[in-house]
Amino acid sequence: DQQVKQNSPSLSVQEGRISILNCDYTNSMFDYFLWYKKYPAEGPTFLISISSIKDKNEDGRFTVFLNKSAKHLSLHIVPSQPGDSAVYFCAARRVDSGGGADGLTFGKGTHLIIQP
Amino acid sequence: ETGVTQSPTHLIKTRGQQVTLRCSSQSGHNTVSWYQQALGQGPQFIFQYYREEENGRGNFPPRFSGLQFPNYSSELNVNALELDDSALYLCASSLGGLGSPLHFGNGTRLTVT
Repeated sequence: DQQVKQNSPSLSVQEGRISILNCDYTNSMFDYFLWYKKYPAEGPTFLISISSIKDKNEDGRFTVFLNKSAKHLSLHIVPSQPGDSAVYFCAARRVDSGGGADGLTFGKGTHLIIQP
Repeated sequence: ETGVTQSPTHLIKTRGQQVTLRCSSQSGHNTVSWYQQALGQGPQFIFQYYREEENGRGNFPPRFSGLQFPNYSSELNVNALELDDSALYLCASSLGGLGSPLHFGNGTRLTVT
């Protein structure tokens, strides 16, 4: 049962245009969401996050939008640059009732390709 | 600032053997977690350690165990290796707390034959 879904395995975008990566989740207990970027042979790198009490968070060229009622979030990259070509993972976290941590639940990733 | 480092980078083991993977946390981080990433999948949470105690665990059997040391370095041990254990194992450290993002190492690629 996949609780975090990234339904597009790959996405191709022209340099300078907007890249929009989508993510859906099923667990209503998730209250913190993150996007990670991964280059080959490297570990995932944190990009941007959003708490469930917000619907938008912006950091430079990266903006994450959260629609709680639809259980959907998206990452917008404007303008897209060649160095943005990577695999992007959506991840979600909740705190369990015991006060510990469940860890992050990741989607399968979307491979973003920026075309010159 | 030193990032998260993992060793070894690659490892080949035979089914039934045991393996130990190592991780040095980013300076100042007191929480470490381990993830397994199979080919074509996202990372899956194995467990998390805070102040040398396990405080969270994913859906992995007991043959996956870990340690966190006073200097916040960590080990992942896997006993009785199975073919399906072949994956990239990622270590991540953080300051702890819900709003603290994880910082990942580059991983150890384990192949079980």
